[in-house]
Amino acid sequence: SAVISQKPSRDICQRGTSLTIQCQVDSQVTMMFWYRQQPGQSLTLIATANQGSEATYESGFVIDKFPISRPNLTFSTLTVSNMSPEDSSIYLCSAERSTDTQYFGPGTRLTVL
Amino acid sequence: GENVEQHPSTLSVQEGDSAVIKCTYSDSASNYFPWYKQELGKRPQLIIDIRSNVGEKKDQRIAVTLNKTAKHFSLHITETQPEDSAVYFCAASSGIGDSSYKLIFGSGTRLLVRP
Repeated sequence: SAVISQKPSRDICQRGTSLTIQCQVDSQVTMMFWYRQQPGQSLTLIATANQGSEATYESGFVIDKFPISRPNLTFSTLTVSNMSPEDSSIYLCSAERSTDTQYFGPGTRLTVL
Repeated sequence: GENVEQHPSTLSVQEGDSAVIKCTYSDSASNYFPWYKQELGKRPQLIIDIRSNVGEKKDQRIAVTLNKTAKHFSLHITETQPEDSAVYFCAASSGIGDSSYKLIFGSGTRLLVRP
């Protein structure tokens, strides 16, 4: 398995501001993904973070709201822009080393006031 | 696109009994089916997975079965213990060759094992 860390683990932000979440993997991985998990709900894929190219976003998620970077094979960031209370959620990154098998980071709990 | 349905949403069993969680998927191209366990406040943890070329896989008290014709797969936990209490998520993916593809998750099952 891959060891995945995220920073920050939690944050409380004011509406209208932006927060960048970092995801670090202990070794090179082929794919990295970003998910959102609202309280008591399942995981919803936001986007696939592609190394060296633009992220691939799922329906309902746009680059202007959730810009993603992946500068190398071990690191990615997700920014939640112009936040509103509806963005309050847990944001999780995952990494895939071998075919299909994804491991998750510990998550970032975001509260927007 | 792929859609994964999971049942039941909650499941309560007596310690020592078996628990079964079922999922159905819509995309016949799906070929990888993992199960994750998520304890309160923790990250989802992969507990078992199965690929479409296999009908059943076991790992100690946990087993997963896959019926490609019916497009459903199930998680079986035998001799349940209180520490099995958690939310379980199924997922489906349609990786092609060496290319990975996104996971689509079911809605989750909250399992409670009563001592």
